[in-house]
Amino acid sequence: EVQLVESGGDLVQPGGSLRLSCAASGFTFSSYWMHWVRQAPGKGLVWVSRINTEGSTTGYADSVKGRFTISRDNAKNTLYLQMNSLRAEDTAVYYCARGGEFAVTRFYYWGQGTLATVSS
Amino acid sequence: DIQMTQSPSSLSASVGDRVIITCRASQSISSYLNWYQQKPGKAPKLLIYTASSLQSGVPSRFSGSGSGTDFTLTISSLQPEDFATYYCQQSYSIPPTFGGGTKVEIK
Repeated sequence: EVQLVESGGDLVQPGGSLRLSCAASGFTFSSYWMHWVRQAPGKGLVWVSRINTEGSTTGYADSVKGRFTISRDNAKNTLYLQMNSLRAEDTAVYYCARGGEFAVTRFYYWGQGTLATVSS
Repeated sequence: DIQMTQSPSSLSASVGDRVIITCRASQSISSYLNWYQQKPGKAPKLLIYTASSLQSGVPSRFSGSGSGTDFTLTISSLQPEDFATYYCQQSYSIPPTFGGGTKVEIK
């Protein structure tokens, strides 16, 4: 059974940093593209970032480019999102999602999400 | 970025009803259109991919159609467990973008 478990969400002040993690199990983690998708309270889904199987290719939404960094550790079956210079508008539930074996941006499985709140 | 517009934003329906949700892309996306279901407090779940392919384990009362810019998600006979919010998403280009959602409520 595919499982994705996010952690690291917290309350942080504007300008602060958070590092989110996503522990994967039930599939060969190193074979799949991975993504982060966020959802502000009461709002819709917004794609944040993606990373290829080896970690050598990444992509970001314009709203987070230069502030967020996606990475992965295939030996630990874990996906990360380093979030710096956080703003109030970054407040959201952050989901990690498994993509396909290639670059198609389709989200086959999702974790339960972790809440990041940016507020003073 | 490609804009995805869903309609209606919400609807009320009864168990057994046929429900149709539409999604329109701001430019042609061929068949690169996916549908997700999200229940309150839960993660989204993939229902349909490439416009009309049913994801494994999804009941056959769900179906999708369309290509180019206009797409539909149909629930042939609404069941109690289908009350949720539905999102379309284009996977034609980066960034992938979602529609605003359609909330299906109990009448």
